[in-house]
Amino acid sequence: GESVGLHLPTLSVQEGDNSIINCAYSNSASDYFIWYKQESGKGPQFIIDIRSNMDKRQGQRVTVLLNKTVKHLSLQIAATQPGDSAVYFCAENIRNRDDKIIFGKGTRLHILP
Amino acid sequence: DAGVIQSPRHEVTEMGQEVTLRCKPISGHDYLFWYRQTMMRGLELLIYFNNNVPIDDSGMPEDRFSAKMPNASFSTLKIQPSEPRDSAVYFCASSLRKTNEKLFFGSGTQLSVL
Repeated sequence: GESVGLHLPTLSVQEGDNSIINCAYSNSASDYFIWYKQESGKGPQFIIDIRSNMDKRQGQRVTVLLNKTVKHLSLQIAATQPGDSAVYFCAENIRNRDDKIIFGKGTRLHILP
Repeated sequence: DAGVIQSPRHEVTEMGQEVTLRCKPISGHDYLFWYRQTMMRGLELLIYFNNNVPIDDSGMPEDRFSAKMPNASFSTLKIQPSEPRDSAVYFCASSLRKTNEKLFFGSGTQLSVL
């Protein structure tokens, strides 16, 4: 069915450490995946995306890994900073007649000083 | 570019009243989306438009909800009559050419129905 879920609702990470946020998806027809960051009182903001023909994509301090065999997606944030505190959503595009982006429930990233 | 602009930022109304939420997408974007966000259900897609035409409204919860896009730079989401369970943050988003690419979100409208 159409479902994107997250393993951990809250993740606490020491400032300076790396963060890994995980996401499981259930639809093998999904061909495009996106990570969004949502700060308090704001709309979701695009971080990085990856298409199903790739396994890994890197941005500035962020890396997304896609494992299609187990339908798993992860976001890695290097050298976590206080400004990284937010809720992170993974989203998938389910490829069918009506492509649309479906969002997961979100993981809250809490940075410890 | 100012990004996606939504108004109002906050709306408090009484049950039974009509509520109209407004959105101005990024200029040149062909797609416009309305999402609703609650703690229980997360971000739900309500409806989306392509070139001002509604494409998929399967996420619209009831007939009390309606959305229009009279031109490329303006869309409304209307709830009539409103109910307390409609309380949520409503987001508008736009994308450039198709649905399977990154969305740009507005700041949202916090709706409280008393």
